Amino acid sequence: DAKTTQPNSMESNEEEPVHLPCNHSTISGTDYIHWYRQLPSQGPEYVIHGLTSNVNNRMASLAIAEDRKSSTLILHRATLRDAAVYYCILRDQGGATNKLIFGTGTLLAVQP
Amino acid sequence: GAVVSQHPSRVICKSGTSVKIECRSLDFQATTMFWYRQFPKQSLMLMATSNEGSKATYEQGVEKDKFLINHASLTLSTLTVTSAHPEDSSFYICSARDHTAARAQETQYFGPGTRLLVL
Repeated sequence: DAKTTQPNSMESNEEEPVHLPCNHSTISGTDYIHWYRQLPSQGPEYVIHGLTSNVNNRMASLAIAEDRKSSTLILHRATLRDAAVYYCILRDQGGATNKLIFGTGTLLAVQP
Repeated sequence: GAVVSQHPSRVICKSGTSVKIECRSLDFQATTMFWYRQFPKQSLMLMATSNEGSKATYEQGVEKDKFLINHASLTLSTLTVTSAHPEDSSFYICSARDHTAARAQETQYFGPGTRLLVL
């Protein structure tokens, strides 16, 4: 599975935008970029995913570089409830089981 | 979004006993479910992939005789930790994939986790 690299931690202020980066220089053509987040003592929660084009949903936006070697998860207005570990994961949609393999993620702290 | 439940949410057991954890997809059918384990301050580690009606596929280093997985229906998978020991104490999380969505758009939904403490 292609690997991703994320900063260990980031800090943000409440109601400000947050840009969470992810590098995936060995991404293959069939890899989708998935983002999940995990709040303390809970299971992960799906945030967003994309292949080539930028994506928006009610939770966040995903900006994907033209060469697909990096992407950025954008939270437009951080709230205290957005404090979590954010995981950027590549999933090969063409693989037999296309498992989600979690890396270390980015721990986002949101200050009031 | 789709809901995945786990039962129990937390369990304490004595060393040497077996513990069964249930994972259910409540509003969709899941031919594939996944079991993860997470130790404190660490990321999720995939243990096995559970396929309805067939044997589970275990990740390297995971003992299949210790972690028994059964996926008897499209909405239920169980993980049994046999002869549990204190080092098996962990947060166990299941996940299910909604196969009604187009394959490229499949989203994986996670349960709330089961915290196991073995004394």
